[in-house]
Amino acid sequence: EAQVTQNPRYLITVTGKKLTVTCSQNMNHEYMSWYRQDPGLGLRQIYYSMNVEVTDKGDVPEGYKVSRKEKRNFPLILESPSPNQTSLYFCASSLRQSYGYTFGSGTRLTVV
Amino acid sequence: EDQVTQSPEALRLQEGESSSLNCSYTVSGLRGLFWYRQDPGKGPEFLFTLYSAGEEKEKERLKATLTKKESFLHITAPKPEDSATYLCAVLDSGYALNFGKGTSLLVTP
Repeated sequence: EAQVTQNPRYLITVTGKKLTVTCSQNMNHEYMSWYRQDPGLGLRQIYYSMNVEVTDKGDVPEGYKVSRKEKRNFPLILESPSPNQTSLYFCASSLRQSYGYTFGSGTRLTVV
Repeated sequence: EDQVTQSPEALRLQEGESSSLNCSYTVSGLRGLFWYRQDPGKGPEFLFTLYSAGEEKEKERLKATLTKKESFLHITAPKPEDSATYLCAVLDSGYALNFGKGTSLLVTP
């Protein structure tokens, strides 16, 4: 089944403790992206990747890192999480940026 | 300033009562306008992409249209299972896909 898989689905962590949210797609898509969704603010792009080893900042990149060493994986790294990073995170992929995206099921992160 | 504005924020319909959702945008160099459906606690689900003014696409009870300034998602004879949040997004001449805040649709029996 074609899908984008995120892990974990839920995560509660403490301020400052480094964490990684994984994202993997099995569709050989070139384009991958991370979004956060907050009430009243909608979906905002954090980082995106046009292909392996090519990444760039979205609208809200502060406090986040990404890497794209393989085509299928695009992990999101929070080196020192803070409470304002509490949010619902989505990974998405697409064959091309101008095509429709397939989204993962989401990761609900709480930083206390 | 918002580049993508969706209206209304919320809409309640009776089953069978057709209506339209609006997405207005201000980006230049539109490379694509996307419609997604999102159910609570789930990731957005792709519905349509429109690339140029005058284009229309249909899927079951949904029909999306595009002009130079806005897009409409028409819902014909909706059913309760059509209840969801509908998101509009535009891809501009850069690399950003900008989402609107969505329209929350509730269809009652």
